[in-house]
Amino acid sequence: EPEVTQTPSHQVTQMGQEVILRCVPISNHLYFYWYRQILGQKVEFLVSFYNNEISEKSEIFDDQFSVERPDGSNFTLKIRSTKLEDSAMYFCASHRDPNQPQHFGDGTRLSIL
Amino acid sequence: EDQVTQSPEALRLQEGESSSLNCSYTVSGLRGLFWYRQDPGKGPEFLFTLYSAGEEKEKERLKATLTKKESFLHITAPKPEDSATYLCAVQAPRGGSQGNLIFGKGTKLSVKP
Repeated sequence: EPEVTQTPSHQVTQMGQEVILRCVPISNHLYFYWYRQILGQKVEFLVSFYNNEISEKSEIFDDQFSVERPDGSNFTLKIRSTKLEDSAMYFCASHRDPNQPQHFGDGTRLSIL
Repeated sequence: EDQVTQSPEALRLQEGESSSLNCSYTVSGLRGLFWYRQDPGKGPEFLFTLYSAGEEKEKERLKATLTKKESFLHITAPKPEDSATYLCAVQAPRGGSQGNLIFGKGTKLSVKP
């Protein structure tokens, strides 16, 4: 069964450094999402992406964050200057259309030192 | 404000002891309610989608139901392999045609042999 894959599984970065999290959505999916989950808290929406542009973003998704679909398969989340509070699990999700459930990857654990 | 509240936070059952998990929601115009299962260190795994009050879905030992204010996930004769965190999410009505998911904190289920 096709899966959403995310790399790396764990990323350790110094505060202030840039980090790029990568996702390969399911191949025929058209809508892409990033969520994050701080330890012990809810899964929170960050951003949705469709047709090569951001559809919606949350208050969390400030100017330090950006997303890109650089080619036909990858979907990336960049954090420009990481802060301690960016430490969390970051999940990528996708679906073919909004009436179908979103499928999630296994996440990237981001640890900011 | 759109909200999802799950109870209990944690539930410990003996193998074979049936029970129910609750998801209460407040959202202006429900587009869909989703149940996911999350194992430690993994991403949410899709279980069910419910769209309208009165709807029911079943899969093995799990049955999801929906009213206008809440959803229940009934677990019949659970086994240890059903141990996981169960997440409830609603699809937001705002933000265009995609609709990001609003998650509850989840119920951590432990089933002892």
